[in-house]
Amino acid sequence: QVQLVQSGAEVKKPGSSVKVSCTASGGTFTGYTLTWVRQAPGQGLEWMGRIIPIFGTTNYAQKFQGRVTITADKSTGTAYLELSSLKSEDTAVYYCARAPYPSTKDLSDWGQGTLVTVSS
Amino acid sequence: EIVLTQSPGTLSLSPGERATLSCRASQSVISSYLAWYQQKPGQAPRLVIYAASSRATGIPDRFSGSGSGTDFTLTISRLEPEDFAVYYCHQYGSSPKTFGQGTKVEI
Repeated sequence: QVQLVQSGAEVKKPGSSVKVSCTASGGTFTGYTLTWVRQAPGQGLEWMGRIIPIFGTTNYAQKFQGRVTITADKSTGTAYLELSSLKSEDTAVYYCARAPYPSTKDLSDWGQGTLVTVSS
Repeated sequence: EIVLTQSPGTLSLSPGERATLSCRASQSVISSYLAWYQQKPGQAPRLVIYAASSRATGIPDRFSGSGSGTDFTLTISRLEPEDFAVYYCHQYGSSPKTFGQGTKVEI
């Protein structure tokens, strides 16, 4: 069973950047897309963007355009989410999730989540 | 961007009862690329249904999905105690992908 293991919790100052990693233990991202979803405290799920690692192509939610970068290192099976110009509203749990590609199946494997707290 | 509206916001039911959750899209969902996720407190979401009506691996057959175009439904035929959770619909046919706001199924 492939697991997605994320980096640990972060505390950041407003205006700074954060980079969260997601590693596929026991597998790779070949044949998959990798998506980042966040969840603010007590709120719903918010799609941020995704990458198709074999092509390196990315799609981002308009809300985060210019502030978010998703990358993937195929050799290590690790994906990254970088979010800049952090605001208090970016305080959330950030999840990575994987879907087979190409496939009709959606996000079948999820990381454990990384809490990012933005506070002065 | 496709907006997904879920109803009701909260569903109060008892074990053994039938749950019917609705997800309505502001535009037609391409190729019925509509999924449902279950989330329990402190846990990551879990895929329940994909492509509108296909059960994910390990999901019991009391869960079923239906619908096409702009109207989709998740049905839990007989609620078990472990089914009480928040359910989200998610369209992944068009970019940006989007989630509904969630339906809480509570005892």
